[in-house]
Parts: sequence; C-alpha cells; structure tokens
Amino acid sequence: SQTIHQWPATLVQPVGSPLSLECTVEGTSNPNLYWYRQAAGRGLQLLFYSVGIGQISSEVPQNLSASRPQDRQFILSSKKLLLSDSGFYLCAWSPTRDVIFGSGTRLTVV
Amino acid sequence: AQSVTQPDIHITVSEGASLELRCNYSYGATPYLFWYVQSPGQGLQLLLKYFSGDTLVQGIKGFEAEFKRSQSSFNLRKPSVHWSDAAEYFCAVAVTGGGNKLTFGTGTQLKVEL
Repeated sequence: SQTIHQWPATLVQPVGSPLSLECTVEGTSNPNLYWYRQAAGRGLQLLFYSVGIGQISSEVPQNLSASRPQDRQFILSSKKLLLSDSGFYLCAWSPTRDVIFGSGTRLTVV
Repeated sequence: AQSVTQPDIHITVSEGASLELRCNYSYGATPYLFWYVQSPGQGLQLLLKYFSGDTLVQGIKGFEAEFKRSQSSFNLRKPSVHWSDAAEYFCAVAVTGGGNKLTFGTGTQLKVEL
C-alpha cells in the first residue's frame, strides 16, 4: 500500500540551530512531493515542490531549503532557525491528482 | 493566480443538524477542487475532490460537495452532523496542469453542540 511517513512529530529548537525534517513515501515511484507550512495568521502555504530527484522548486522566499536525495525521500532543512520558522510542517505527495498529507511536524523555535 | 475564499471562520451547529460550509474560488478555467479536514494536532485528511464530470461528488464520512461553475463555488454539505465532525475544514484549489500545487482557503472551524 501507499503510505507517507513524516518525523519527528514534535520538535523544539533554539534560535540559530539547524533543522532537518524528513519525509518518505512507500509504495510508489516518482511521486510529486511537497512541503507545506501552517502558521498562525498565514494559513497553509506551499513552501517547496519536487517532481523528481534533485528537482526542487521554491514557492516562497524564506530561511528554509529542501532536498530530494532519493526518489521517495524529501528533506526540509535550515542552517539557522528563526523564531518566524515556528509552525506546523506538512509533507504531502501526489500519486495521481489526489494530494495526500503526512501527519505533520510541530516545530517550535525558542 | 488562483485564490480560495472560505467566508465563515467559525460555524456552530447542533448534533444531527445539517451542515453547509462555503467555498468560493477564483481561477480562469475549471480547477481541481478539494476539501480536507484537520483535527487538532493532526495532518490533513482528504474528504473529497472534484476534477471533472458529475458536479455532485461524494466523499468519506457522509460528506458531499457540489461544484457550481456559475457561482465559482464548491460548498461542502452533510445532512446530519455528528459530534466527531468537530474539526477545521479547508477548501483547496489546484490549477489543471500545475503539478497539483494546492492553494488553500483560510479554513472554517466547526463546533458541534450536543
């Protein structure tokens, strides 16, 4: 079956620390992958989009980056976190025209 | 660029009552339309979607939605609400041929009174 895994579920990080959030998909090949952020006052916003290994499109200017080192792995990173990076980060994938979301990571930058 | 409006930030209904959540979109052609539900601290669960064809679509948990091109709307309905339906509901649109990148509305928080 097709599933999406996202971890960790919760993360508390100090300002200026690095970040790495990982998302993997099982049961499919060459999916479209996405990172969304849900932050207070800004709703759900698409951050990055990938159609294949090494192909990343950034949708909004920000302090974060994304990488896709393997077909079914999508990583969200930052070298130095800002307070404004706090939020709920959701990985998603699209097997056909559906868009399926992972369970999310709650990031609090302190 | 496309946009989605959910005019109701909060809605309260009694258990057993009917429900309609409003969604209007702005896009030059017929988009792909989605409704998602989010419980506190959880990810988004897909309730239903519209791509083409029959404008009345059925989803999970007894929900349905109707696409009305003339009104640029995709309202979500349920004939009888259960207490477990209390959650936040998001309408989203994706442009055709746009890689399924979703633009979301701001959400409607549903409260169910027992």
